[in-house]
Amino acid sequence: ILNVEQSPQSLHVQEGDSTNFTCSFPSSNFYALHWYRWETAKSPEALFVMTLNGDEKKKGRISATLNTKEGYSYLYIKGSQPEDSATYLCAEGGYQKVTFGTGTKLQVIP
Amino acid sequence: EPEVTQTPSHQVTQMGQEVILRCVPISNHLYFYWYRQILGQKVEFLVSFYNNEISEKSEIFDDQFSVERPDGSNFTLKIRSTKLEDSAMYFCASTRRGVDEQFFGPGTRLTVL
Repeated sequence: ILNVEQSPQSLHVQEGDSTNFTCSFPSSNFYALHWYRWETAKSPEALFVMTLNGDEKKKGRISATLNTKEGYSYLYIKGSQPEDSATYLCAEGGYQKVTFGTGTKLQVIP
Repeated sequence: EPEVTQTPSHQVTQMGQEVILRCVPISNHLYFYWYRQILGQKVEFLVSFYNNEISEKSEIFDDQFSVERPDGSNFTLKIRSTKLEDSAMYFCASTRRGVDEQFFGPGTRLTVL
């Protein structure tokens, strides 16, 4: 992996379904992994920053895991709600430079 | 809750003109960033700034670009001679410590005609 990549590019789920997305990043020279939620016409909002292999973080129904050895992170949303509809960005990097993925656009259907 | 602000929200300019995009980061933050997103593309890193100097810049950030923190509160991005391909949404971000979450401003949409 040379760049930060996210999959899927877009996702439609029914309200109440749980879902997850993947972020892949170069495992060499890893500094930190960031997840952001980006709603239309707003600015990206930070969800998590993770630095250690095996890190797991949780905020309400949203959680994330990190595997720095193999270069991936998962974001999970439990019981999706319409207000979870947004683009979810991941980014790798630290205080000097952060590289973003292309995002996963989630649409939760009521 | 403290927030990052950016002005203007939308700037329209002619090709070749200079533009200055302004940002006011959160007051106790120490690290500052500019990003841009060309429509339909990913968010791209432009530059990071700490202790009154550039920490890192991308290949996009050429001699036409400069940043400044003139008065301890504002953080500006200047494009000396705009090109059509500079049309994008420009985001400013700040963080207290390098490893912390970054707080983004609402963005400035730059349109170069």
